Amino acid sequence: AQTVTQSQPEMSVQEAETVTLSCTYDTSESDYYLFWYKQPPSRQMILVIRQEAYKQQNATENRFSVNFQKAAKSFSLKISDSQLGDAAMYFCVAGGTSYGKLTFGQGTILTVHP
Amino acid sequence: KAGVTQTPRYLIKTRGQQVTLSCSPISGHRSVSWYQQTPGQGLQFLFEYFSETQRNKGNFPGRFSGRQFSNSRSEMNVSTLELGDSALYLCASSPTGHEQYFGPGTRLTVT
Repeated sequence: AQTVTQSQPEMSVQEAETVTLSCTYDTSESDYYLFWYKQPPSRQMILVIRQEAYKQQNATENRFSVNFQKAAKSFSLKISDSQLGDAAMYFCVAGGTSYGKLTFGQGTILTVHP
Repeated sequence: KAGVTQTPRYLIKTRGQQVTLSCSPISGHRSVSWYQQTPGQGLQFLFEYFSETQRNKGNFPGRFSGRQFSNSRSEMNVSTLELGDSALYLCASSPTGHEQYFGPGTRLTVT
């Protein structure tokens, strides 16, 4: 079984600044994946970035990067040069060997101020 | 490639009725998963289909069922609707079963 915890219900950032969203997870599996998804007001769930647990190198995707601390079971998302379009609900998500099942955190609402 | 599509986008039903939601995955994706999203419970996994077989199921009552066709399109059915079934239902497809790509969802309101 997997659990995902996001302790920040809401975060805000000024446009062009950097913000970090926190996430901790728990899993009994040795082979698992971690993701960050965003869900803007349109409700369309969008994959932002993925991290394979067996990879030590932190994933990056343009302005988005993660800090994956496997021993601490921590998986934070850093958004650099924040843009108004980054405003959304961000979900930390875990996937493993359970076919097709992703486990979502509670989400963090990110507000970007111009 | 076209993304995941879901129909209908909005639906209003009455308690006791049944409803069928449809999902067309990204071309080439054989895995389709369904999720229920509510303000109180967040996102919860319903079930996953791969090559017309249900491989995994979440903790939902038997009123929730699904199927997948040979072209990978999937349908989800909810029978004897309850007020608590009001939710956004999300379908996602995957090439590997790991990263998933979501459709826009179907907003179901039960009155």
